[in-house]
Amino acid sequence: DTAVSQTPKYLVTQMGNDKSIKCEQNLGHDTMYWYKQDSKKFLKIMFSYNNKELIINETVPNRFSPKSPDKAHLNLHINSLELGDSAVYFCASSRVQGNTEAFFGQGTRLTVV
Amino acid sequence: QKEVEQDPGPLSVPEGAIVSLNCTYSNSAFQYFMWYRQYSRKGPELLMYTYSSGNKEDGRFTAQVDKSSKYISLFIRDSQPSDSATYLCAMFTGGGNKLTFGTGTQLKVEL
Repeated sequence: DTAVSQTPKYLVTQMGNDKSIKCEQNLGHDTMYWYKQDSKKFLKIMFSYNNKELIINETVPNRFSPKSPDKAHLNLHINSLELGDSAVYFCASSRVQGNTEAFFGQGTRLTVV
Repeated sequence: QKEVEQDPGPLSVPEGAIVSLNCTYSNSAFQYFMWYRQYSRKGPELLMYTYSSGNKEDGRFTAQVDKSSKYISLFIRDSQPSDSATYLCAMFTGGGNKLTFGTGTQLKVEL
């Protein structure tokens, strides 16, 4: 069983569209994250949720809206997609807030054309 | 200037070589230091973590932290082709849970 799973794995869409990426973890962790990895492999945190509560919101455009219906799920909705949004988006989880080990999903490769 | 700097490589070594991967950082508040390994088209996975200064060894891998120089290293002994991956250093202050990553070093171990 995959510990942190995200869907879809690949997403190709046109500029201006709205899309969602889903993430689920079956580890019983309290904290979940969204990271963006650009073409140069730089991994940067976007959001962090602890027990469904938003605790980190980095400088991310308002077009990105995370939603956590329960502590096992953290979805990412993106409105009005732009070319610059093309990247790999990783969901991750950790046992508690501040825990040193984060478990990452396989990533969603988003391409905006 | 990024908080964490890492040479992106690529670094190509023959099988059996000792590999040294390094990161420098600017934020003296960082206390927890990690190395993640990322295979192509996969998510990063934690390899090792160290708290504060010192060395930590795990099999063929040794992590070193020198807080006075703001410099961390990962050594891989007897490198194998299966070690070919991108290695990302990461660190955080401990007060919150925001991990700051380096850009990653791409390593290729050749037969």
